[in-house]
Amino acid sequence: EPEVTQTPSHQVTQMGQEVILRCVPISNHLYFYWYRQILGQKVEFLVSFYNNEISEKSEIFDDQFSVERPDGSNFTLKIRSTKLEDSAMYFCASSAQRGNWEQYFGPGTRLTVT
Amino acid sequence: GNSVTQMEGPVTLSEEAFLTINCTYTATGYPSLFWYVQYPGEGLQLLLKATKADDKGSNKGFEATYRKETTSFHLEKGSVQVSDSAVYFCALSDNTDKLIFGTGTRLQVFP
Repeated sequence: EPEVTQTPSHQVTQMGQEVILRCVPISNHLYFYWYRQILGQKVEFLVSFYNNEISEKSEIFDDQFSVERPDGSNFTLKIRSTKLEDSAMYFCASSAQRGNWEQYFGPGTRLTVT
Repeated sequence: GNSVTQMEGPVTLSEEAFLTINCTYTATGYPSLFWYVQYPGEGLQLLLKATKADDKGSNKGFEATYRKETTSFHLEKGSVQVSDSAVYFCALSDNTDKLIFGTGTRLQVFP
């Protein structure tokens, strides 16, 4: 069964460093998403991406964040200068269509900023 | 804005017990409602969904009914198994790109 994969599973970085989280969505999906979950809090939407551009973003997704689909398979989330409060589990998801269609999630990348 | 509230965990049950995890929502319009499950070390998986009032979603013995009058989507299972131990997330889609999640409820089932 096709699945969304994410690498790395755990990333430790120092405050102020740039990190890139990688995701490989399901191959025939067209819509891509990033969510995050700070420990003990809700899973929060960050951004959605379609046709090589951002289609929606939350207020969390400020200028420190960017997304890219650099080739036909990867979907990346870059945090330009990490802060302590960026420590969270980051989930990538993809779907065949938008709206009420199922979003398929990856296992997540745990980001720890020290 | 739109939001989802679900009961605090952990919920601890013996095998074959009845499970209810409460979920209520606040939304304008007519959202779709979902339950996702996260098993240890894995991603979020869709468990069931309902797209309109009075719809019942069901899968793997789990059920939830979309109740507009009480703005609820409670998850139930008649007889839980140890393998059901996981974190369960209630979520809504307000017909935009994003899912809005609750905080998750951890279920622990003991033999």
